[in-house]
Amino acid sequence: SQTIHQWPATLVQPVGSPLSLECTVEGTSNPNLYWYRQAAGRGLQLLFYSVGIGQISSEVPQNLSASRPQDRQFILSSKKLLLSDSGFYLCAWSPRTGWVETQYFGPGTRLLVL
Amino acid sequence: DQQVKQNSPSLSVQEGRISILNCDYTNSMFDYFLWYKKYPAEGPTFLISISSIKDKNEDGRFTVFLNKSAKHLSLHIVPSQPGDSAVYFCAASDSGGSNYKLTFGKGTLLTVNP
Repeated sequence: SQTIHQWPATLVQPVGSPLSLECTVEGTSNPNLYWYRQAAGRGLQLLFYSVGIGQISSEVPQNLSASRPQDRQFILSSKKLLLSDSGFYLCAWSPRTGWVETQYFGPGTRLLVL
Repeated sequence: DQQVKQNSPSLSVQEGRISILNCDYTNSMFDYFLWYKKYPAEGPTFLISISSIKDKNEDGRFTVFLNKSAKHLSLHIVPSQPGDSAVYFCAASDSGGSNYKLTFGKGTLLTVNP
């Protein structure tokens, strides 16, 4: 069966510090990968998606970037965090079938920028 | 421009009764719809989906209804249980698109009272 891991679970960082959140998927190959953010009282906002190694698409302009160095690894980064980067970050995967497929989410990382 | 709308931020029902969660969409290209359930500090869990070629899909206590002409879908939970208390997200996708993106509503908090 497939599993998706995210770490850390919780992170408190000062404004201006760098960020690296990691997501890995097990039990599947060539998945589509996604990063979402849920801000307080808001829905799920898609930040980045990837259909292959090194292929990253950004949905909204922001202070964050993403990379996919390996097939089942997706990393969310920032060089300098802003207060507005606080939120609940979710990684998701879906099978790459050429069709819209259900996305499966990881446990999330709660980021608090102070 | 919110393409998927969940106009009720919260809903409270008694255990054993029916819960009806509503979702409206504006993009006529959407043809695949999903419902997710989310507990606090956890990732969303997939519940049920429906393609636009159907108007109903049932899985145990969960049924999703789709009214394409009204651009409206609903999730029925019967009978409701206290463990169903969570935030429910509606999501939609255009299967003809190339990015397999899901657009989420802001969620409805369901509380099932014992």
